[in-house]
Amino acid sequence: KNQVEQSPQSLIILEGKNCTLQCNYTVSPFSNLRWYKQDTGRGPVSLTIMTFSENTKSNGRYTATLDADTKQSSLHITASQLSDSASYICVVSGRVDYKLSFGAGTTVTVRA
Amino acid sequence: NAGVTQTPKFQVLKTGQSMTLQCAQDMNHEYMSWYRQDPGMGLRLIHYSVGAGITDQGEVPNGYNVSRSTTEDFPLRLLSAAPSQTSVYFCASSYSSPAGPVDYYGYTFGSGTRLTVV
Repeated sequence: KNQVEQSPQSLIILEGKNCTLQCNYTVSPFSNLRWYKQDTGRGPVSLTIMTFSENTKSNGRYTATLDADTKQSSLHITASQLSDSASYICVVSGRVDYKLSFGAGTTVTVRA
Repeated sequence: NAGVTQTPKFQVLKTGQSMTLQCAQDMNHEYMSWYRQDPGMGLRLIHYSVGAGITDQGEVPNGYNVSRSTTEDFPLRLLSAAPSQTSVYFCASSYSSPAGPVDYYGYTFGSGTRLTVV
């Protein structure tokens, strides 16, 4: 069973609107959580990283939050642009073996 | 440009054929790895290397071999291609294990190789 579940699987938003992506994980004990952006036909690129002691991290219009107690993270995209169309992947690292667990991703489509 | 270079970008193989996917990085990263990405699933680790001359198996190593003779190169060999190996393959590198507690840079990924086995 995948230890990282992302929702929704896909979403469509209009340019300029905001959206929030969810990531629930069961990895325990937890070390850190990253969000990656993957453009079509490209490899993933890191957006943010949060350790278990951090609860929010921003990178431009991207803001990630983390609740280590409920094992949930979200990625909020503000004032979306066409270039935000991509797959967003949540990756969680365990603290014991430092193994990475990848979510299946949320595909975001921004329409003009 | 610095980064991770994968070749080829696309490949079609017949069942039973063998081939090598190439991966090279010019960032002097010690840690390199190979992942496969399938629809509806997270990236899965095939093999990884913590430095030249050292390799280890990941989550789905069957049917694949790797070697690391230099810091820069980390080729992935498919021994006898099967339709189940149809996937997109990504090579990634980092200064140290990207899952470790002090690495804030994470992976640099290549652009991927889309492999179809018929």
